[in-house]
Amino acid sequence: NAGVTQTPKFRVLKTGQSMTLLCAQDMNHEYMYWYRQDPGMGLRLIHYSVGEGTTAKGEVPDGYNVSRLKKQNFLLGLESAAPSQTSVYFCASSPTLGSRYSNQPQHFGDGTRLSIL
Amino acid sequence: GENVEQHPSTLSVQEGDSAVIKCTYSDSASNYFPWYKQELGKRPQLIIDIRSNVGEKKDQRIAVTLNKTAKHFSLHITETQPEDSAVYFCASTPGGSYIPTFGRGTSLIVHP
Repeated sequence: NAGVTQTPKFRVLKTGQSMTLLCAQDMNHEYMYWYRQDPGMGLRLIHYSVGEGTTAKGEVPDGYNVSRLKKQNFLLGLESAAPSQTSVYFCASSPTLGSRYSNQPQHFGDGTRLSIL
Repeated sequence: GENVEQHPSTLSVQEGDSAVIKCTYSDSASNYFPWYKQELGKRPQLIIDIRSNVGEKKDQRIAVTLNKTAKHFSLHITETQPEDSAVYFCASTPGGSYIPTFGRGTSLIVHP
């Protein structure tokens, strides 16, 4: 049971290049999330998914796209990278149990450190 | 939407002292409050959580208290050790939304 796996772990891009970050979870969780973490800013939600084939915008979605074609995978894409997107990106997943008191903790991946030059 | 304020941003203590981190939230519908610990260069990991039908929860040296009326919850660490040094994040989740709002984090430094 690997939990949440993110690839790659590190990447350096030039401004204007595109790339895709992959997140995979083997816990059969419904919800998946992409966050960016910048110094002093905590974890800011980029996009999330409530299930296979669905995505929704979070707090800071501009410049990013996502897809969830399979329940276990959640992809984050940068179409045209900008220096402001230099950050550490975390993927997370959580199960749902369907009741009002069913919120469950999130399981995070190890992160992807992305630098845009 | 939900707004979470976390204080202090940095906390420095001597080994063996207690540490308290406080978070306030704005959405009265929030009912799930997890705390995550993130060591340097690592992933955030859940250390304790509390639900709105409980006022306090303990797990060995850590405890969390919740005051729904005042809309604040706190993390208490007793007998701190150097390995407690990390960034701690609180989060608040409105009932049924599954989308938590995080505080900005507290950097806890425990001096030997």
